[in-house]
Amino acid sequence: AQSVTQPDIHITVSEGASLELRCNYSYGATPYLFWYVQSPGQGLQLLLKYFSGDTLVQGIKGFEAEFKRSQSSFNLRKPSVHWSDAAEYFCATDLGGADGLTFGKGTHLIIQP
Amino acid sequence: GAVVSQHPSRVICKSGTSVKIECRSLDFQATTMFWYRQFPKQSLMLMATSNEGSKATYEQGVEKDKFLINHASLTLSTLTVTSAHPEDSSFYICSAESGGAYEQYFGPGTRLTVT
Repeated sequence: AQSVTQPDIHITVSEGASLELRCNYSYGATPYLFWYVQSPGQGLQLLLKYFSGDTLVQGIKGFEAEFKRSQSSFNLRKPSVHWSDAAEYFCATDLGGADGLTFGKGTHLIIQP
Repeated sequence: GAVVSQHPSRVICKSGTSVKIECRSLDFQATTMFWYRQFPKQSLMLMATSNEGSKATYEQGVEKDKFLINHASLTLSTLTVTSAHPEDSSFYICSAESGGAYEQYFGPGTRLTVT
């Protein structure tokens, strides 16, 4: 069975600093990869996705992620965070059939002034 | 585009009663809809997958007689929590996928509290 690991439960970053959230997946083939953001009490918003092709993916709100097959990773990055980026971030995978997503446990991002 | 709504956003019910949650795709036809459950400060766990006109496929450990899913049309799926108990209190989130798109659009979620 596929699994998604987000090793950092909490991350604190100063406003204006760079950010990297880690995500590793465990599956023989390369699944479809997603990053979602969830603000308190809200649903999920898709930040970006990787299906194939260019391994550096640009998303909304200035986020990007890089797929590294050799490391089974899909880390999310942002060069300069804003206070409004404080939220819960979920990495997710999809095997590409009519299956639901498999989510990581999430990383809670705290922004320091 | 690709908006998914859920109703209600919050519901409080008494133990033993049933609650129905609606999930609608507002501007596209959803061949497949998914229901997830999220406990406080936890990740989302897939409960079931439903295709329009077919019986839902439940994940292991999810009681199909307790969580009734109906996907009667291409824009509407409902989740009914039957004989609710306090341990069913959770955040329920639906998502919808348009055939072959491999991208799910999520609803805003429904906070269920069973007293």
